[in-house]
Amino acid sequence: DGGITQSPKYLFRKEGQNVTLSCEQNLNHDAMYWYRQDPGQGLRLIYYSQIVNDFQKGDIAEGYSVSREKKESFPLTVTSAQKNPTAFYLCASSPGRNSYNEQFFGPGTRLTVL
Amino acid sequence: GQQVMQIPQYQHVQEGEDFTTYCNSSTTLSNIQWYKQRPGGHPVFLIQLVKSGEVKKQKRLTFQFGEAKKNSSLHITATQTTDVGTYFCFRLDTGRRALTFGSGTRLQVQP
Repeated sequence: DGGITQSPKYLFRKEGQNVTLSCEQNLNHDAMYWYRQDPGQGLRLIYYSQIVNDFQKGDIAEGYSVSREKKESFPLTVTSAQKNPTAFYLCASSPGRNSYNEQFFGPGTRLTVL
Repeated sequence: GQQVMQIPQYQHVQEGEDFTTYCNSSTTLSNIQWYKQRPGGHPVFLIQLVKSGEVKKQKRLTFQFGEAKKNSSLHITATQTTDVGTYFCFRLDTGRRALTFGSGTRLQVQP
């Protein structure tokens, strides 16, 4: 069953703790993306990666970090430097090494920082 | 970053009425994609437009790309309750590394 998985669906953390959100895809896609969505808002790009071991900052990268050691995995770490981390985090992937292809989204992780 | 404005922000229609959302950019777009996100769900790709003046149809949905490639629209004819959700345009321009979602239009359909 091909697709993108994100786990967990809901995540709670205390303020000041780093937390890592997982994103795995078995679609053999080259490009992967992380977006943040706040209630009633659009999606804002955090980071994206077009090939393994390379990634680019998006519009709101401050307070976040990523790695792309394997093609199928693109974990996102929300650090304590992120001032307002509570949000819905969506991971996506697309075939090819450019962004002209449709993006396939995972189910998302709702992070709540208490 | 580059801004993509969508209007309206919200629309409530009676089932059977038409609906249109507009996506406007201050700069020329390389191409544009449209996505739909159901309440509580994740965005799902609908269509991609590339050519100036391009019009594409998917059953009751009609997508249009402006002649100047600065705006786009999504029109739904005779809405159904299954059309409920938020519709986003997505601007991509790899030359400037700009990947931007519009603010979205939330559609509510009254049965």
